[in-house]
Amino acid sequence: ETGVTQSPTHLIKTRGQQVTLRCSSQSGHNTVSWYQQALGQGPQFIFQYYREEENGRGNFPPRFSGLQFPNYSSELNVNALELDDSALYLCASSTAGTESTDTQYFGPGTRLTVL
Amino acid sequence: QKEVEQDPGPLSVPEGAIVSLNCTYSNSAFQYFMWYRQYSRKGPELLMYTYSSGNKEDGRFTAQVDKSSKYISLFIRDSQPSDSATYLCAMKRGSSASKIIFGSGTRLSIRP
Repeated sequence: ETGVTQSPTHLIKTRGQQVTLRCSSQSGHNTVSWYQQALGQGPQFIFQYYREEENGRGNFPPRFSGLQFPNYSSELNVNALELDDSALYLCASSTAGTESTDTQYFGPGTRLTVL
Repeated sequence: QKEVEQDPGPLSVPEGAIVSLNCTYSNSAFQYFMWYRQYSRKGPELLMYTYSSGNKEDGRFTAQVDKSSKYISLFIRDSQPSDSATYLCAMKRGSSASKIIFGSGTRLSIRP
């Protein structure tokens, strides 16, 4: 186990609704990244937060937003849900800003279904 | 064209066989290369992390990177049924680069 936890495990929403997913980073890690993994695909980078600031973003629209808190836990918010948002959402924590390899450790994910 | 191409499989081999998993990529700026293992209903788990070209060995796993050919491989020796999972190749441009690009994953099944 990596020490990265995510909640909830599963979630069902309807189109147009808003959702908040939560992540608790591994102890000592100051960076969190969020990924979307569609069925049968590899994870796609959404964005990364380092010390509470966004530190890189993938090709996702502004309705995907995030927060990182002083204790390095994080939230992913998605507004105006679309059917294509149905996926496994993964967070990964790491210790960027050190001489480490910036290895990212993944949580188990939240499975979001949009009906 | 995707930045990282990976054969989705599925790949089925008998227990004890040597498994070879491969990815190709198009962006010569990638410097760091990784292999993740993902079991069903779990998050990806880092297996191997390599910098630039060369080989790296860890137990039954060997990662190879050939930057001149833009080709990376993962070899699994003495494969076990517990190795059955989806294997994802991944890469990024710098050690502190935020964006990791993943392949689509290869489903591997080891037959007892």
